[in-house]
Amino acid sequence: NAGVMQNPRHLVRRRGQEARLRCSPVKGHSHVYWYRQLPEEGLKFMVYLQKENIIDESGMPKERFSAEFPKEGPSILRIQQVVRGDSAAYFCASSLGVLGNEQFFGPGTRLTVL
Amino acid sequence: GENVEQHPSTLSVQEGDSAVIKCTYSDSASNYFPWYKQELGKGPQLIIDIRSNVGEKKDQRIAVTLNKTAKHFSLHITETQPEDSAVYFCASLSRGSQGNLIFGKGTKLSVKP
Repeated sequence: NAGVMQNPRHLVRRRGQEARLRCSPVKGHSHVYWYRQLPEEGLKFMVYLQKENIIDESGMPKERFSAEFPKEGPSILRIQQVVRGDSAAYFCASSLGVLGNEQFFGPGTRLTVL
Repeated sequence: GENVEQHPSTLSVQEGDSAVIKCTYSDSASNYFPWYKQELGKGPQLIIDIRSNVGEKKDQRIAVTLNKTAKHFSLHITETQPEDSAVYFCASLSRGSQGNLIFGKGTKLSVKP
């Protein structure tokens, strides 16, 4: 069984461009989480989604960032008008349920903003 | 807000020795504590977890202990091997949360052959 898949693995954007990060959860998992990791830091929660619903976006910047998890297809994290401070590794995790259910992480997308 | 402190930030041991990493959490409502191993350039991999109704859990060379009163939990790796070298993260999940894990800042473990 395939685990969490993310693409692209590496993404380079110039300031002002848009970045789209994709995440396909473990088959059968309907809960998706996005985390951001800065160099030498732990992971910081951004957003939690279920199919077609945003459940908790308390960790996501109010501007330029958006996320979706459509009925069909992968979850998308979208960053508009990227700035150098957006450079980080973005990880997606999925779980079968919520409380106390293991979250399995993908390999991440490393975003570099020039 | 909820906070997780992790120590030490770096740990170097000789192959065959034991390694211990400690974390403390602030939210007394936390009830789930996973540990992740992250190798260079990869995503975090769940290695063991413990729930608040259990004080200790063991899986081969890895064990985790939880002290709810003191609000701290620890990862113990025995008979370390070079392939154990990685960054280890502790995390906690609050009973009142929507599912977002709060992570420590990580411990870089180096096992010298």
